[in-house]
Amino acid sequence: EVQLLESGGGLAQPGGSLRLSCAASGFTFSSYAMSWVRQAPGKGLEWVSSVSGSGGGTYYADSVKGRFTVSRDNPKNTLYLQMNSLRAEDTAVYYCSKDRGDYADSVRFDPWGQGTLVTVSS
Amino acid sequence: EIVLAQSPGTLSLSPGERATLSCRASQSVSGSFLAWYQQKPGQAPRLLIYGASSRAAGIPDRFSGSGSGTDFTLTISRLEPEDFAMYYCQQYGRSPVTFGQGTKVEIK
Repeated sequence: EVQLLESGGGLAQPGGSLRLSCAASGFTFSSYAMSWVRQAPGKGLEWVSSVSGSGGGTYYADSVKGRFTVSRDNPKNTLYLQMNSLRAEDTAVYYCSKDRGDYADSVRFDPWGQGTLVTVSS
Repeated sequence: EIVLAQSPGTLSLSPGERATLSCRASQSVSGSFLAWYQQKPGQAPRLLIYGASSRAAGIPDRFSGSGSGTDFTLTISRLEPEDFAMYYCQQYGRSPVTFGQGTKVEIK
């Protein structure tokens, strides 16, 4: 069974940083693109970033480009999202998700982790 | 980027009724790379339909998807109590992938 477990969320100040992690199990991690999707309180879903199976291809939404960095450690089966220069509008639940294959520029999300809440406030 | 517009915003129906949700794209979605997700309060989304019409593993056959090009539909043939939730469409045919704003199916 595929399992995805996010961690690292919490309270950060505007301009601050956080690093999210997503521990994966139940599949050959390096064979699949992985992604982060966020959901602001009471709002819809927004794709944030994706990374190819090898880690060599990375993709970002315009809203986070230049501030967030996605990476992965395949031997550790772990996905990361380094978030810098945080803004109030980055406040959201952040979900990690697995793709159907290694299609990092055209990802479909299945399954999803349970999410981790990031709150950016002074 | 491809903008997805879902309608209606809210659908008020009774258990046993048929639900029809619409997702309209601003440009043609290549390969019918269109997915539908269900999200219940406090839970992560769950994939229901991919490729516009293929049910994901474990999804009951009362859920069906159809459409191509710019117009897509999710149909729930007979609403069960557990089907009252938010539903999102997503296109993955062109980067960046995008979501619709969602349709809430609520109990009438």
